[in-house]
Amino acid sequence: RKEVEQDPGPFNVPEGATVAFNCTYSNSASQSFFWYRQDCRKEPKLLMSVYSSGNEDGRFTAQLNRASQYISLLIRDSKLSDSATYLCAVPNGGYQKVTFGTGTKLQVIP
Amino acid sequence: DAGVTQSPTHLIKTRGQHVTLRCSPISGHKSVSWYQQVLGQGPQFIFQYYEKEERGRGNFPDRFSARQFPNYSSELNVNALLLGDSALYLCASSLEAGGVYEQYFGPGTRLTVT
Repeated sequence: RKEVEQDPGPFNVPEGATVAFNCTYSNSASQSFFWYRQDCRKEPKLLMSVYSSGNEDGRFTAQLNRASQYISLLIRDSKLSDSATYLCAVPNGGYQKVTFGTGTKLQVIP
Repeated sequence: DAGVTQSPTHLIKTRGQHVTLRCSPISGHKSVSWYQQVLGQGPQFIFQYYEKEERGRGNFPDRFSARQFPNYSSELNVNALLLGDSALYLCASSLEAGGVYEQYFGPGTRLTVT
């Protein structure tokens, strides 16, 4: 099993739709999780941090399921500007290594 | 406040050459991590430095090395460049070392090896 896995997509959704991405991880000792947004040929930008069961920020909700070892990102009322690649990042337990998934590409269509 | 800065933004080198990439973290951040990102993949962890010491190393050959200076800025060095080293090299800074701390990325250095 890969350390961090994401569905690469692309997810093509109409404006206003709700879309959810999952990210599975293999290290059960991981305590913190991060979602980043990356626009084409730009650097990743931190979107949300998840330290417990979940986090919410406006239209964005991140949830953690420790039993099944996955985190999800839910985007409500999708905007054209949400079109990007969404990366999940999982620090490797007590080590300093952070593993990123390959990213999920979202395209919001007018 | 200034974010993470990296230099140069673009670089073209030939096989066998050496390259040095530079990174200045966010003011007050003591930890710097380096990542390599090739097209279609997520960033791959190379190194993490904290207080001038290496705290983590990814699965990269010894041709890759780094160091951190007293002002917390950092350099990534790559020797004997290969075509496969062509990628976006990202630097991320965090307040402290450790996985719980949020990392903030610089704009990256796009390296092309010909």
